[in-house]
Amino acid sequence: GAGVSQTPSNKVTEKGKYVELRCDPISGHTALYWYRQSLGQGPEFLIYFQGTGAADDSGLPNDRFFAVRPEGSVSTLKIQRTERGDSAVYLCASRWTSGSVDTQYFGPGTRLTVL
Amino acid sequence: AQKVTQAQTEISVVEKEDVTLDCVYETRDTTYYLFWYKQPPSGELVFLIRRNSFDEQNEISGRYSWNFQKSTSSFNFTITASQVVDSAVYFCALSEARSGNTPLVFGKGTRLSVIA
Repeated sequence: GAGVSQTPSNKVTEKGKYVELRCDPISGHTALYWYRQSLGQGPEFLIYFQGTGAADDSGLPNDRFFAVRPEGSVSTLKIQRTERGDSAVYLCASRWTSGSVDTQYFGPGTRLTVL
Repeated sequence: AQKVTQAQTEISVVEKEDVTLDCVYETRDTTYYLFWYKQPPSGELVFLIRRNSFDEQNEISGRYSWNFQKSTSSFNFTITASQVVDSAVYFCALSEARSGNTPLVFGKGTRLSVIA
């Protein structure tokens, strides 16, 4: 079946601009996560949704970052007044829980470059 | 606080050699999960295995095997008879086992290069 999809795959923007990154989770997965992966590092947690609500946004680095999931499926990560330090790959994951199975499946990521 | 350490930044082996990727973790939780993910050059993280903290049995899946040792807080990953297609960055990760939010805490990854 279809996996997690993310658009765009690449985004180049100028410092100070606003960007939106989209994530389409696997159908039926109620939990959705955003992570950020800087060059040479492992992914770092940003925010987690259970259904429509942000259950934990403790990983968001500052108030320039915001995410929504209005209908409990597609999610959008929004970054205002982008800075060069925001350049990274932004990964989305949806989570499947059933009995003893509890796993996060990742999308291909959006590579954000802030010039 | 939770932490995952992958001390090997890069490993290079010749095809058909066996290779072990090390993972050491820290957590105060008594119940937790451990994971390995593969990130090929395409960039997508591919799930390999999930292990419960209360199950220390080693696991084998084809050429892959995992050695979980609670006494040393390690969850090492061995690839037997490596192949060029195994070349990727491999991440070890940890999450709490409580219900609700269980974000993954990742190590920095080990880049494996398998040379033909």
